[in-house]
Amino acid sequence: DIQMTQSPSSLSASVGDRVTITCRASQGIRNDLGWYQQKPGKAPKRLIYAASSLQSGVPSRFSGSGSGTEFTLTISSLQPEDFATYYCLQDNSYPPTFGQGTKVEIK
Amino acid sequence: EVQLVESGGGLVQPEGSLRLSCAASGFSFSSYAMSWVRQAPGKGLEWVSGIGGGGGSTYYADSVKGRFTISRDNSKNTLHLQMNSLRAEDTAVYHCARAVSGWFDFDFWGQGTLVTVSS
Repeated sequence: DIQMTQSPSSLSASVGDRVTITCRASQGIRNDLGWYQQKPGKAPKRLIYAASSLQSGVPSRFSGSGSGTEFTLTISSLQPEDFATYYCLQDNSYPPTFGQGTKVEIK
Repeated sequence: EVQLVESGGGLVQPEGSLRLSCAASGFSFSSYAMSWVRQAPGKGLEWVSGIGGGGGSTYYADSVKGRFTISRDNSKNTLHLQMNSLRAEDTAVYHCARAVSGWFDFDFWGQGTLVTVSS
């Protein structure tokens, strides 16, 4: 199985901050990676697909980059509604695997 | 509007069985692969099982292989997960998810149904 190592596991940030979350794959996965946001008690919401494509309806302050084994999700200016947990997911090969999650908290 | 609504969760004793359902609407259900993904309390996301649009191909995580069976009824736009020989470690919220391309590129998820395995 492909292991996805996500960092950090949590971070504290202020409204307006730039936030970066990283996922590393244990082997190359091309650009077969998505980023998801999850709020407590809610379904995960896809933000980014194919590593860098913005899901329709998602604000442009979210961006993704990377390919192969290193991937990044960036929030350019953190907004109050962005406080949530973020996960990466590799869909390159079976079984699909998630990062451990990054909880973004208010500073 | 795409909607996925799970049902069938509840409290079950160890070694018991439960059948989850996911009612889909707002899209051509048979055209999409579907999966179940679970989240144990306070933990991360874990893929459980997937099925192709026609229902002929299925995949399972090693942790549930031989105990869980995924199926779908395209005439009723419904996805199912039959869970047998349940264990305490199966306790989780179970989400159904639609794969927009390929098998595991999940673009839309349901809110989930809670399964608790306890005596």
